[in-house]
Amino acid sequence: LAKTTQPISMDSYEGQEVNITCSHNNIATNDYITWYQQFPSQGPRFIIQGYKTKVTNEVASLFIPADRKSSTLSLPRVSLSDTAVYYCLVGINAGNNRKLIWGLGTSLAVNP
Amino acid sequence: NAGVTQTPKFRVLKTGQSMTLLCAQDMNHEYMYWYRQDPGMGLRLIHYSVGEGTTAKGEVPDGYNVSRLKKQNFLLGLESAAPSQTSVYFCASSFSTQATNEKLFFGSGTQLSVL
Repeated sequence: LAKTTQPISMDSYEGQEVNITCSHNNIATNDYITWYQQFPSQGPRFIIQGYKTKVTNEVASLFIPADRKSSTLSLPRVSLSDTAVYYCLVGINAGNNRKLIWGLGTSLAVNP
Repeated sequence: NAGVTQTPKFRVLKTGQSMTLLCAQDMNHEYMYWYRQDPGMGLRLIHYSVGEGTTAKGEVPDGYNVSRLKKQNFLLGLESAAPSQTSVYFCASSFSTQATNEKLFFGSGTQLSVL
């Protein structure tokens, strides 16, 4: 069964760079990789998306190797407010439709 | 902008009671979804809709019904609540799941407890 795999949890300290890797062996050829962030008592929110190589925005960077079977979300200089659950999301082809596959997410704890 | 709005935010039901969760979006999105989130289970799709007047089953549809009478609204109903339906429910919307670079927009969730 196609799925994404991420570490269940990670710990870091303020000011450090955090890298979260997601494996997605069965990603569809033309599908993008999208990462979401979820704070307690809130719904997930989009943070970054990419197809290949590297994407950077004001929040994070996303690194995607040539085979696209994994991706790494990089959060530069994290702060306490980055404590959240991070989800990697890809689509797969399911017959004539595209399905979204949510992983269990990575719970990031940023310590003072 | 309001985005995706869910009501109510909290609800406690007794086993066998019924209720309806309302989701409203103001982004003119075609697709709308209902997910439930349980500890250790991640997000699981209950039902979804690809447009006004259409609905379809997701991964865990049993015990739930939905309706999409208006494009901006997606209702999730529990006809006879069971303790196994205690969960946090999230509504989401998007232009289309079929677009490979699609982004989902989520509401803030409804915490439902069934006693």
